[in-house]
Amino acid sequence: VMTQSPVTLSVSPGERATLSCRASESVNVNLAWYQQKVGQAPRLLISGAVNRATGVPDRFTGSGSGTEFTLTISSLQSEDFAVYYCQQYKEWPLLSFGPGTKVDIK
Amino acid sequence: QVQLVESGGGVVQPGRSLRLSCEVSGFTLTSFAMYWLRQAPGKGLEWVAVIPYDGRNEHYGDSVKGRFTISRDTSKNILYLQMDSVRTEDTATYYCAKSRLGLFFDSWGQGTLVTVSS
Repeated sequence: VMTQSPVTLSVSPGERATLSCRASESVNVNLAWYQQKVGQAPRLLISGAVNRATGVPDRFTGSGSGTEFTLTISSLQSEDFAVYYCQQYKEWPLLSFGPGTKVDIK
Repeated sequence: QVQLVESGGGVVQPGRSLRLSCEVSGFTLTSFAMYWLRQAPGKGLEWVAVIPYDGRNEHYGDSVKGRFTISRDTSKNILYLQMDSVRTEDTATYYCAKSRLGLFFDSWGQGTLVTVSS
C-alpha cells in the first residue's frame, strides 16, 4: 500500500515543495513519480526513485529508497501546480499508486 | 514520435459491453508491454490490465478480472480493452500507456471517458 503526504500542499511560486511517498513494505528503488495537470494524462517525471525522465526540468529531484521517498521541486513555477502521484513497481504485476498530492498556489 | 490515441468511450448501461481502442504510432506493440489504466472522476490512478510485449500471459486487476479482456492487433498497431458486464463503479477515464521495462509508464494516451449508467 502506498501513501502520500500531505494531501494538499499550498506553495508560493518560487518556493520549494517537498512531497512524501511511503510504501507499507520495502520497494527498494522501484518507484516512479508522475505529474498530472487538470484534464490531462499523467506524465512520467522520475523512475528508479531518482532518475529524471527525458525533458523533465532539473528542479524536480527524487530521493529515497526502501519505504520512504521524496519528490522535491526546488523552485515552483506556475506550470508545476498539479497533482503528483507515486507508483511502486516492485510487486509486478500488482502495480500500485499512491492517492496523490495536490500542489496548489498559496 | 510516440503517440497513443484512445477511442470507444461513451455511456453504457450496467451489464452491457464496450470495447476501447488505442491506436499507437512511433513504436510497435511487439516491443513493449502495454497497459490500460483508469481514473474514476476526482480519484486516483488504478491499473486495469497489461499485455506483455510477446502477447502472452495477460494480467488483470482484481476489480476487472473475469470481465475485461486486453488484446492487440499487431498488424494495425492497436491495443484493445473489451469491457463486459460493466458496473457503475467502472465509470472512469481509461488510459492506455506504454511501459518501460513493463514496470512504469513513459507514454500515455489522452484518455477516453466511460460512463456506466442506466
